[in-house]
Parts: sequence; C-alpha cells; structure tokens
Amino acid sequence: GQNIDQPTEMTATEGAIVQINCTYQTSGFNGLFWYQQHAGEAPTFLSYNVLDGLEEKGRFSSFLSRSKGYSYLLLKELQMKDSASYLCAVLSGGYNKLIFGAGTRLAVHP
Amino acid sequence: DAMVIQNPRYQVTQFGKPVTLSCSQTLNHNVMYWYQQKSSQAPKLLFHYYDKDFNNEADTPDNFQSRRPNTSFCFLDIRSPGLGDAAMYLCATSRGQGGLTGEQFFGPGTRLTVL
Repeated sequence: GQNIDQPTEMTATEGAIVQINCTYQTSGFNGLFWYQQHAGEAPTFLSYNVLDGLEEKGRFSSFLSRSKGYSYLLLKELQMKDSASYLCAVLSGGYNKLIFGAGTRLAVHP
Repeated sequence: DAMVIQNPRYQVTQFGKPVTLSCSQTLNHNVMYWYQQKSSQAPKLLFHYYDKDFNNEADTPDNFQSRRPNTSFCFLDIRSPGLGDAAMYLCATSRGQGGLTGEQFFGPGTRLTVL
C-alpha cells in the first residue's frame, strides 16, 4: 500500500527553527516534493529531492534518506507568514502519481 | 505570467444539480490533474490527462467525469452532487511525470458548496 506519515500539527516561535518530518512507504519512488499550503489556497512548490542528502533553498532546506523512507523540511528564521500547512508528497507508481500526506499544520507565534 | 486558472473560485449548487468546474493553463503542460481536498486532509487525485489519454483513479466515483477538449482546458463535471462532494477542487498541471518534470503547479482551487 501507499502510506505517507507526517505530524498533524506543530507550533514554533518567530525567529526559531522547526523541522517537519515525513516518512513514507510507497510502491516505487521517483522523488519527494514539499508543498506549502495556506488556508483556503492552493499548494505551492517548496522543494524536490530525488537523491539522498540535503537541498538548501534560502530559509528552507529539505533532506531525504531513501533507505529509511524519510524526509524532513527545515524552516529557519521563522516568520509569521510561515504559518501554513506543509504537505509531503511522493512521486510513485507507473504513472508517477503524486501521493500526498495529510499535511502538517504549522502555527508560528510571536 | 504563465499560470493555472480555475473558475469560479466559489461555486454553490443544489443537491443533485449538475455542476461544471473549469481549469485553464498557459504553461503548455502535457499533464492536467483534478484533485478533491476536504478540510485538513490530503488532496485526493480524481483523474488526470496525459495529453488526450485519460486516467481515472480506481476509487473515483462515477458521479465525477472530466473532459479535456484541448491542451489548455480541462473540465470537471459532477453529474449529481451530494452533500459529501462539498470540498475544494484543485486543478494542477505538470510538464511530464518523471522526476522534476512531475512538479505540479496548482490553480487557486474552486470551493464547492452543496445545499
């Protein structure tokens, strides 16, 4: 079966660092995406990992370990506008479908 | 700017009254997707088109149909909406389906209310 797990909710303080974990079990793996979704809006692309290791993009970094079926999204210097849901999604299967996790709702407080 | 456009942003319909949601793209992408997303849940893929090839998910109800008359447009038809079909409907596109070509670009969504 296809399964993607991530924490339901997290809270953090403005200016701090937060790590959002994602574990997956999928039939096939062709890459892992992280998307940000503000309430009532469409998901927007944050990062893509297909090889093991860390990808850094400004305040956001994403890590992948394929052998462990594990990824994390690291957000540094948190800002209030980072309050959103963060969706982990794996590209999998014959049609390379994007399988989404339920998302982690992050609340940043002053 | 190249983008994915969905109309309308908010749609209200009555129980059992057919409704059509539309999506257009200026990205010239090969693949278009329709997702259903309910509150605090993951987007659920309903179907997708690779060019003109239609791919239905096994658990997509027969009540949901789709049309893609050309590269730019894709429609979602809900033949007889039930209360359980109230959700956000997201349209997305991608260049391809392998690696980074599988990155999906989402439209703003249509929030459907069923009365």
